[in-house]
Amino acid sequence: DARVTQTPRHKVTEMGQEVTMRCQPILGHNTVFWYRQTMMQGLELLAYFRNRAPLDDSGMPKDRFSAEMPDATLATLKIQPSEPRDSAVYFCASGLVLSHGGETQYFGPGTRLLVL
Amino acid sequence: SQQGEEDPQALSIQEGENATMNCSYKTSINNLQWYRQNSGRGLVHLILIRSNEREKHSGRLRVTLDTSKKSSSLLITASRAADTASYFCATDAPPPGRRALTFGSGTRLQVQP
Repeated sequence: DARVTQTPRHKVTEMGQEVTMRCQPILGHNTVFWYRQTMMQGLELLAYFRNRAPLDDSGMPKDRFSAEMPDATLATLKIQPSEPRDSAVYFCASGLVLSHGGETQYFGPGTRLLVL
Repeated sequence: SQQGEEDPQALSIQEGENATMNCSYKTSINNLQWYRQNSGRGLVHLILIRSNEREKHSGRLRVTLDTSKKSSSLLITASRAADTASYFCATDAPPPGRRALTFGSGTRLQVQP
């Protein structure tokens, strides 16, 4: 049963610390997405990769956030330095492009981040 | 800004009743999808409807799409307590527009046993 995995599942850190979240997409998927979910803002797209190349990171605060795909089996999202307003659940999803161009996304369980 | 807006924001029904959720969007779409999220979990894909389709069924789910009104509805028939979750619509734009999905704000469904 293929699924997206994310680590860590929970992270509590202090303001100013670096946070690294990892995601293993489903084998064979060629798109990876990072989302942030909060009560106030809902689900926001942070970054989007296709074939490991970043296609859209317009939703990501560039001064502190960075997203990379070192290889096809690993995607990372880093926050440096972290701030309390970064507290949220961060989801990774991997995608399967369908023949008609639609894309079904498969979500990981999320990383719940709390920045004190 | 969010492309999709769900209505209602929250819905509470009795087990066995039907639940209808609506989604409106602003710009042209390629496909519209519905996802479900249980509390504390990731989103799970439910169903996809293409822009040239008007209705689609999957088990107890029925999705309609009206591109002239830029709206979609998700009907869950004979609801069960296990259907309690948040439901999101998501759209992607036709090429060469943005291909990543844009999610709405969701409808929280509570099915009372």
